[in-house]
Amino acid sequence: QVQLQESGPGLVRPSQTLSLTCTVSGVSISSGDFLWTWMRQYPGKGLEWIAYISSSGSIYDNPSLRSRLSISADTSQNQFSLTLNSVTVADTAIYYCVRVLLIRGVPDSWGQGTLVTVSS
Amino acid sequence: EIVLAQSPGTLSLSPGERATLSCRASERINSNYLAWYQQKPGQAPRLLIYGASKRATGIPDRFSGSGSGTDFTLTISRLEPEDFAVYHCQQYSSSLWTFGQGTRVEIK
Repeated sequence: QVQLQESGPGLVRPSQTLSLTCTVSGVSISSGDFLWTWMRQYPGKGLEWIAYISSSGSIYDNPSLRSRLSISADTSQNQFSLTLNSVTVADTAIYYCVRVLLIRGVPDSWGQGTLVTVSS
Repeated sequence: EIVLAQSPGTLSLSPGERATLSCRASERINSNYLAWYQQKPGQAPRLLIYGASKRATGIPDRFSGSGSGTDFTLTISRLEPEDFAVYHCQQYSSSLWTFGQGTRVEIK
């Protein structure tokens, strides 16, 4: 049974850097069957895809965030991470790490989500 | 970017009634790469339908998806109390995945 767990600070100051880590258990992130993905949900329900990293290290990201975004994986820790620079209040959201099944192209497992608030 | 417009914004129905939710895309979605999710308060979205009409594992058959091109529909044949939630559509046809703004199904 796969489990994904987000971790990171719940409060980030404007202009600072948001860093989150997703710890995966139950499956190796080196498995070629999945895309390891970050999504976020704004207050009031809108969902946004941020980026994903494949088992081979290929990265695909949302062009609207590309200039501020970094995603990486640590196979030794079975984790993948998200870094978002120069945050503003518009980056306040619940951040989810998600496993996407490659053969279907849709998520089959989600973390519980972590609320990140950008505020001074 | 493919923009998805969901309607209605809110659907007020009684248990046992049929719910019909719409998702319209700003351009054609190839290979019917359209998914539907259910989300309850405090929970992550749950995959219901992928490929426009394929039910995900464990999803009851009262949920069905249909449509192609730019117009897609999620139908709940008879609403159960646990079905009152927010429903999102998502396209994964383009390299930029996008979501609709959601439809809330509430108890009338």
